Amino acid sequence: GIQVEQSPPDLILQEGANSTLRCNFSDSVNNLQWFHQNPWGQLINLFYIPSGTKQNGRLSATTVATERYSLLYISSSQTTDSGVYFCAVGSSASKIIFGSGTRLSIRP
Amino acid sequence: DTGVSQDPRHKITKRGQNVTFRCDPISEHNRLYWYRQTLGQGPEFLTYFQNEAQLEKSRLLSDRFSAERPKGSFSTLEIQRTEQGDSAMYLCASSQWDGTDTQYFGPGTRLTVL
Repeated sequence: GIQVEQSPPDLILQEGANSTLRCNFSDSVNNLQWFHQNPWGQLINLFYIPSGTKQNGRLSATTVATERYSLLYISSSQTTDSGVYFCAVGSSASKIIFGSGTRLSIRP
Repeated sequence: DTGVSQDPRHKITKRGQNVTFRCDPISEHNRLYWYRQTLGQGPEFLTYFQNEAQLEKSRLLSDRFSAERPKGSFSTLEIQRTEQGDSAMYLCASSQWDGTDTQYFGPGTRLTVL
């Protein structure tokens, strides 16, 4: 099955800093989603992005499908950005496999 | 749009008991997913429905687990003869298949098996 690796596993930043989170995957995908799990456990869908670039406010994501990676950019970090960021990928349009996540801590 | 809801939010049970969880998806969504998440890990896919049809099941879903979505709306996940290893967060998600599959998650049901 598809393997998903996220890096870095942990990231600690000061408020206002920018960050880049990476997701590598082992095979062709036609389904890739980024999620944020807040400290209370709620998973929020950030992007559905099997290819290309999308932006939503301070967040943007780029997937280079031919090179099997995706990047999530967070600019001007806020304490509310803290939590775990998951990349999830799938070769079908249904089942997705989650990576182990990047735990982001934003210090005030 | 009220979002995905799950009930109960927490369940404590004794080993060997049966438990049932409910998920109510976003009303117009035709796909519903169940996942399991243990501490420090990402969610693991268990099964998914398109309308009332269960289209895929993970090998993680032993014969003690069963899921239904009888009318293509809410879904239930039952675990029979619970074991301590079943302790986890059980997450439900829904999506509207329109060429994309953006999944929206509920708050989860945390199961503790004593």
